Amino acid sequence: GQSLEQPSEVTAVEGAIVQINCTYQTSGFYGLSWYQQHDGGAPTFLSYNALDGLEETGRFSSFLSRSDSYGYLLLQELQMKDSASYFCALPGRDDKIIFGKGTRLHILP
Amino acid sequence: DAGVTQSPTHLIKTRGQQVTLRCSPKSGHDTVSWYQQALGQGPQFIFQYYEEEERQRGNFPDRFSGHQFPNYSSELNVNALLLGDSALYLCASSLAGPQETQYFGPGTRLLVL
Repeated sequence: GQSLEQPSEVTAVEGAIVQINCTYQTSGFYGLSWYQQHDGGAPTFLSYNALDGLEETGRFSSFLSRSDSYGYLLLQELQMKDSASYFCALPGRDDKIIFGKGTRLHILP
Repeated sequence: DAGVTQSPTHLIKTRGQQVTLRCSPKSGHDTVSWYQQALGQGPQFIFQYYEEEERQRGNFPDRFSGHQFPNYSSELNVNALLLGDSALYLCASSLAGPQETQYFGPGTRLLVL
């Protein structure tokens, strides 16, 4: 089967940097994705890593280590609007996505 | 360009009733996936439709069924509703093919009393 583990909550200060970790188990690996979901909103795609290393998109970066079955999402220069839930996810070979339970990010002013 | 749309936005039903949720995919997309998201949890895959056929199914009972129409829109039907079916139901559309980005709609929040 497939499973993902991520912290349930993380708290950080506005303007700071925060890292949300994710470990996974899967028999077939097709990459690791990250989604953001604001309260009452739809999940929106943030990033996708298929190969080891760091992918940077503006203030957000995502890292993958396939040998450790581990990845993280790094958010820099935190803004209050970044308060949301963040999900790591395993996309399948044929579009089925398995999501983690999500990490709720609280940002303090 | 309209994104993924879902209707209704909210719905209240009682146990034993049946419900139909609707989804229109993003323009140009031909694949629709449905997810159930319980409060405080991640979305769970229900099933996926492509070319009007169910292509994949998650671990959900037969009470959950669906349909895709020639215009790629889709319906999710749930029969014999249980209290535990209360959740946010998300529709996501994409192009067919591996690792294509899925775009989610705003969801339908279903409350079963």
